Amino acid sequence: QVQLVQSGAEVKKPGSSVNISCKASGGTFSTSAFSWVRQAPGQGLEWMGGIVPFFGTPIYAQKFQGRVTIIADESTTTTYMELTNLKSDDTAVYYCVRPNSGYDGWFDPWGQGTQVTVSS
Amino acid sequence: EIVLSQSPGTLSLSPGERATLSCRAGQKVDSDFVAWYQQTPGQAPRLLIYGASSRATDTPDRFTGSGSGTDFTLTISRLEPEDFAVYFCQQYGSSPGTFGQGTKVEIK
Repeated sequence: QVQLVQSGAEVKKPGSSVNISCKASGGTFSTSAFSWVRQAPGQGLEWMGGIVPFFGTPIYAQKFQGRVTIIADESTTTTYMELTNLKSDDTAVYYCVRPNSGYDGWFDPWGQGTQVTVSS
Repeated sequence: EIVLSQSPGTLSLSPGERATLSCRAGQKVDSDFVAWYQQTPGQAPRLLIYGASSRATDTPDRFTGSGSGTDFTLTISRLEPEDFAVYFCQQYGSSPGTFGQGTKVEIK
């Protein structure tokens, strides 16, 4: 049974960056896909991008291209998502998820979520 | 990208009643690749249904997914107290996968 545990809440200033980690346990890390989904107040759920550690090359949603970086560290079975040039509307809960296949299939399980607040 | 519209926005029902939630896609969803999730306050969404009608592990059989093409439905046959939550549909037939805005099932 795969479990995903994320790093804690962050408060950031506009224009700064945030880096969130997601440690996976159980399952086979290198050949699994991991994606990131965010949930902003009143904005619903958005898929941001994903990675398969074995292949190493992430893919990103067009909306976040140029601002998001997703990497995977096989030695620690941890994925990371960095979002740069933060704006107030990046305030959201960010979830690490495992797609059933590819980068954006159905998602199970979900990490517990990381609240990111962007405020001056 | 495919836009999903969920209705109603809020459903007010009593325990024991039947809930019918709708998810309509702006275009046909390939292979009926639709999932449903349940989210309770302060928690991450939890997968209930995938492939439009397949229950995830641990999903009680009072939850039924149905539909094809552009119209999909989640039915909860008899509401239990723990079922009062927000439900999201998701399509993953076309990339990027997209979500509906959610239906809140609240206690009447």
